[in-house]
Amino acid sequence: EVQLVESGGGLVQPGGSLRLSCAASGFTFSSYWMHWVRQAPGKGLVWVSRISSDITSDDSNTRYADSVKGRFTISRDNADNTLYLQMNSLRTEDTAVYYCARGPLSDPYYFDYWGLGVLVIVSS
Amino acid sequence: DIQMTQSPSSLSASVGDRVTITCRASQSFGNYVHWYQQKPGKAPKLLIYAASNLESGVPSRFSGSGSGTDFTLTISSLQPEDFATYYCQQSYSTPLTFGGGTKVDIK
Repeated sequence: EVQLVESGGGLVQPGGSLRLSCAASGFTFSSYWMHWVRQAPGKGLVWVSRISSDITSDDSNTRYADSVKGRFTISRDNADNTLYLQMNSLRTEDTAVYYCARGPLSDPYYFDYWGLGVLVIVSS
Repeated sequence: DIQMTQSPSSLSASVGDRVTITCRASQSFGNYVHWYQQKPGKAPKLLIYAASNLESGVPSRFSGSGSGTDFTLTISSLQPEDFATYYCQQSYSTPLTFGGGTKVDIK
């Protein structure tokens, strides 16, 4: 059974940092592209970032929404089946539930499995 | 960026009703549209991929159609467990974008 479990959320002050983790199980993690999607309270879904399955030194294996570019970094540890999102210079508008999601092999740009989500609150 | 405009933003319906939700893309592409269902406090769930393909385990009362700029999600006979918010999403280009959502509630 595919499982994605996020952790690392919490309350942080504006300008602070937080690192989210997503532990994957039930599938061959290293074969799949992975994404982060967020949802502000009472709002819709917003794609944040993606990382390809093939980790190279080339930054082309990652992409970001303009709203987080330069502040957030997505990474993965295929040996540990874990996806990460390092969030720096956090703003109040980054307050949201953050979901990790898997991109299927046929088209890695949509999401066939989602984690339960983790809440990040940016507030003073 | 491709904008996905969903309509209506909300609707009230009764059990057994046929429900149609539309999503219009700001530019034309093939079948790179997918539909999700989200219930309060829960993660989204994939219903339809590539415009018209039913995800495994999803009831057959859900169907999708469309190509180009106009896409539709149809629930043929609304069931109590279908009251939720529905989102479309395009995977044609990055940034990946979602529609604003359609909340389906009980009339």
